Amino acid sequence: DQQVKQNSPSLSVQEGRISILNCDYTNSMFDYFLWYKKYPAEGPTFLISISSIKDKNEDGRFTVFLNKSAKHLSLHIVPSQPGDSAVYFCAVSNQAGTALIFGKGTTLSVSS
Amino acid sequence: NAGVTQTPKFHILKIGQSMTLQCTQDMNHNYMYWYRQDPGMGLKLIYYSVGAGITDKGEVPNGYNVSRSTTEDFPLRLELAAPSQTSVYFCASSQGGAYGYTFGSGTRLTVV
Repeated sequence: DQQVKQNSPSLSVQEGRISILNCDYTNSMFDYFLWYKKYPAEGPTFLISISSIKDKNEDGRFTVFLNKSAKHLSLHIVPSQPGDSAVYFCAVSNQAGTALIFGKGTTLSVSS
Repeated sequence: NAGVTQTPKFHILKIGQSMTLQCTQDMNHNYMYWYRQDPGMGLKLIYYSVGAGITDKGEVPNGYNVSRSTTEDFPLRLELAAPSQTSVYFCASSQGGAYGYTFGSGTRLTVV
């Protein structure tokens, strides 16, 4: 039973436009959320995170929004660039705070 | 800056054989993890360790064993390899539990 769901396997966006990647989770006790980015033949790299005490966190072109009542978070990339083309994983900290639970990932393709 | 180093990068194993995937980190992180990534399935936690001498099972531990005799090394042992263990294996480390993972570049294992 998936605790972290990324329901869109893929997303295609034009360069310069906004990319919105979505993630839903099942357990309201989760309190720390992260996004990782992965290029082919490389390990995932940390992108941005948010604590449950916030509803928004911004880092340059990347913004993560958290809606606790809906158990939903999203990653906004503005403006999108071809180099953003990668697989994006949503992750949550398990309740013990000892490990991350990952979603299945969304493949973002940004065309120029 | 080596970070997390995994060896080998690729390996083909015959059914029933055993092998050890190596992982070492030079960041003095206490927490280390093994994940596997199957196509379209995200990353699933196999085992993790919160410090030398301490290991714990993750979501999919069957068919694997780990040990953590030093802070730096966290090898993953496959006993009696099966085709279902064909996957990409990622090792990661963290200073603070579920926060700030650093991943290795992965080991692509094929069991035939």
